[in-house]
Amino acid sequence: RKEVEQDPGPFNVPEGATVAFNCTYSNSASQSFFWYRQDCRKEPKLLMSVYSSGNEDGRFTAQLNRASQYISLLIRDSKLSDSATYLCVVNESGTYKYIFGTGTRLKVLA
Amino acid sequence: DVKVTQSSRYLVKRTGEKVFLECVQDMDHENMFWYRQDPGLGLRLIYFSYDVKMKEKGDIPEGYSVSREKKERFSLILESASTNQTSMYLCASSVPDYRNTEAFFGQGTRLTVV
Repeated sequence: RKEVEQDPGPFNVPEGATVAFNCTYSNSASQSFFWYRQDCRKEPKLLMSVYSSGNEDGRFTAQLNRASQYISLLIRDSKLSDSATYLCVVNESGTYKYIFGTGTRLKVLA
Repeated sequence: DVKVTQSSRYLVKRTGEKVFLECVQDMDHENMFWYRQDPGLGLRLIYFSYDVKMKEKGDIPEGYSVSREKKERFSLILESASTNQTSMYLCASSVPDYRNTEAFFGQGTRLTVV
């Protein structure tokens, strides 16, 4: 089983739609969780950290469910500029290593 | 603004060549990482370093070595490049606090070994 698993997509959604991505992780002792965004042929950039209580940043909402070991990202009112690959990232417990999912590709259509 | 800079965006090297990929960060971060990214496989950790002259193998260290002589610089070395090392290489840095501390990435080096 992969340490961090994501549905690769692609998710093709119309502008204005709401879309949700899930990610599961295998190490129950993992401490930190992130969503990164990666545009085509560019480096990953932090979209948002994921906190235990859930957190929101504008149109983006991240949730963490420790009991079920999954993380979610909800994007409301999708924009064309949201088209990218979204990477789920888990920081391995007790180390400084970041474990990446393979990413979920989103395409927002006009 | 944190900046992680990789020396080349694109490189083409021949099989058997020794290849150096350089990475410099300007935020005094203790941790530095080298990943490779391949379609369908995502980012895989090659090596990381948590201090000068300190290094630890990641998940796929075979065929690679690293050097960290100065805090701001982390080099990845392909001792004898092979075609299966054709990939996107990404360097990253972070502070040594795993509690919701993000990793900052360089722009990537797309290496082609022919």
